[in-house]
Amino acid sequence: EDKVVQSPLSLVVHEGDTVTLNCSYEVTNFRSLLWYKQEKKAPTFLFMLTSSGIEKKSGRLSSILDKKELFSILNITATQTGDSAVYLCAVESGGSNYKLTFGKGTLLTVNP
Amino acid sequence: EPEVTQTPSHQVTQMGQEVILRCVPISNHLYFYWYRQILGQKVEFLVSFYNNEISEKSEIFDDQFSVERPDGSNFTLKIRSTKLEDSAMYFCASSTTGGPQHFGDGTRLSIL
Repeated sequence: EDKVVQSPLSLVVHEGDTVTLNCSYEVTNFRSLLWYKQEKKAPTFLFMLTSSGIEKKSGRLSSILDKKELFSILNITATQTGDSAVYLCAVESGGSNYKLTFGKGTLLTVNP
Repeated sequence: EPEVTQTPSHQVTQMGQEVILRCVPISNHLYFYWYRQILGQKVEFLVSFYNNEISEKSEIFDDQFSVERPDGSNFTLKIRSTKLEDSAMYFCASSTTGGPQHFGDGTRLSIL
């Protein structure tokens, strides 16, 4: 059975802090790893990672994948209150079916 | 930016009744999915759909569930005889070949 484990499950920081969110996985037929931000409703796409060691960046957010050790990290620098959300890690697996297996998420709270 | 739209945003139904949840995927996407999230739990895969047929379904997706793409734009999830445990947020997603899945805002289904 495919498994995705995120840590920590929750995190409280002050504005301006840097945070690192972790995601480890065990899946058959790995295709990619994705990060999503979930505020009140839809998971919003952040990054899709398919290759080891290549950092993806978008503003203050960055992510990297290690396919040998089967994990990924999501970094957020200079956090803002608007970064408060649940961050979901999901792994895409399977032959041609592209289904996602999600972790439980990390609830990030950024206090002013 | 194109987005996945879902209707209704909230559906309240008596146990045993049939419900149809509707989704309009992003127009150039070819792969369609349904996921559900029971309150406080992980997002779970239900079914994937490509080329007018189901590609894969999870154990949750039993005979009470069905999906359809009745025309060129809509993608529906039907639950024939709802149970209390079907109460959840249902998300529709769509993707291109090899691209990330984009999610709609979800339909909150409440079974009384």
